[in-house]
Amino acid sequence: GEDVEQSLFLSVREGDSSVINCTYTDSSSTYLYWYKQEPGAGLQLLTYIFSNMDMKQDQRLTVLLNKKDKHLSLRIADTQTGDSAIYFCAEYYGNNRLAFGKGNQVVVIP
Amino acid sequence: DVKVTQSSRYLVKRTGEKVFLECVQDMDHENMFWYRQDPGLGLRLIYFSYDVKMKEKGDIPEGYSVSREKKERFSLILESASTNQTSMYLCASRNTGREETQYFGPGTRLLVL
Repeated sequence: GEDVEQSLFLSVREGDSSVINCTYTDSSSTYLYWYKQEPGAGLQLLTYIFSNMDMKQDQRLTVLLNKKDKHLSLRIADTQTGDSAIYFCAEYYGNNRLAFGKGNQVVVIP
Repeated sequence: DVKVTQSSRYLVKRTGEKVFLECVQDMDHENMFWYRQDPGLGLRLIYFSYDVKMKEKGDIPEGYSVSREKKERFSLILESASTNQTSMYLCASRNTGREETQYFGPGTRLLVL
């Protein structure tokens, strides 16, 4: 399968911006995604970006895609305590398959 | 809003038992998926189905089977549960041609003793 890498842990103060990074392997991926998982819950689709875009902004979320380096990032502006969760990036690489990173735990300190 | 529901949030079973995990989606999606999630390993695809009665193996199908008799329902079956199948199981669904959106259920946390 494809390999999607994420760092494991990030702590951030409430009100600051947080940035989560991800690298992926398949240059032909058409869609890349960010999912959020709160404790004990399933995955919630936060946002996605199509591979022909460099950036996508959705309220407090900004996704940046660097196709040359196969690097995806998620910036959360004005981080709130409700943003504490595990964040997964994923890539669609065809044949109905998504490859997920191992997740990045974000802890927001009040 | 798409809704994906799973029959149980928590399940405790004994080694050797047959286990059924049910997933239902209400948006007429063609594609449905079963993943397991383990600490440090992320999500791994067990099986998926792209139509009624159609199924395809994912990355870790061993020890599992699936059933899709109706479009809205996708079942994961553990024929003889083992302790290494203790995990969080997540179901998902998506429309064909809508690769930008895949929706997940709340998960079933299975403990096999």
